[in-house]
Amino acid sequence: KQEVTQIPAALSVPEGENLVLNCSFTDSAIYNLQWFRQDPGKGLTSLLLIQSSQREQTSGRLNASLDKSSGRSTLYIAASQPGDSATYLCAVCPSGQGSRLTFGEGTQLTVNP
Amino acid sequence: NAGVTQTPKFQVLKTGQSMTLQCAQDMNHNSMYWYRQDPGMGLRLIYYSASEGTTDKGEVPNGYNVSRLNKREFSLRLESAAPSQTSVYFCASILTGPSHYGYTFGSGTRLTVV
Repeated sequence: KQEVTQIPAALSVPEGENLVLNCSFTDSAIYNLQWFRQDPGKGLTSLLLIQSSQREQTSGRLNASLDKSSGRSTLYIAASQPGDSATYLCAVCPSGQGSRLTFGEGTQLTVNP
Repeated sequence: NAGVTQTPKFQVLKTGQSMTLQCAQDMNHNSMYWYRQDPGMGLRLIYYSASEGTTDKGEVPNGYNVSRLNKREFSLRLESAAPSQTSVYFCASILTGPSHYGYTFGSGTRLTVV
């Protein structure tokens, strides 16, 4: 059974700092990995999708990497801003299970002004 | 706006009552999903529909039923609500094919069962 772990569970940083969120998964047989953002009381917003054949994806100040062999992904946020404060969720789409996602529990990020 | 629409946004039920959560997408996606989100448990798959006319159980299907009414709509029904079903429910959709594309999520239904 695929399991997804996100470390740390919570992170507080000063504005302007570069930071890395970590995601690990137990089964390397995946179709893709997706990073989401969730604001309090809101739904999930897709940030980046990395297909299994890709190593990384970038969008603005966000960069996500994928190392299937080691079962790891990182989300790098450059020059963090208070508006980046949210919970960040990692989810993998395991091979052979249609498009069902397995989620981590998330990292709650607070960026202090 | 294009996307996934869920109704209602909030609901309070008494134990034993029934209700249906509605979900509709206008992106011509073929697959639709229902997840629940609970503190300390993350998001867990309840049911999904890979295509119109098909439905399958996910990780936590007990106490729920679903209907894929057409390509756009996928409803989740609680026949006899229990306090353990207090949760936030999210509907999602995806366009599947030779490569899997990213999910789009609705804004959620916050359900409290008392």
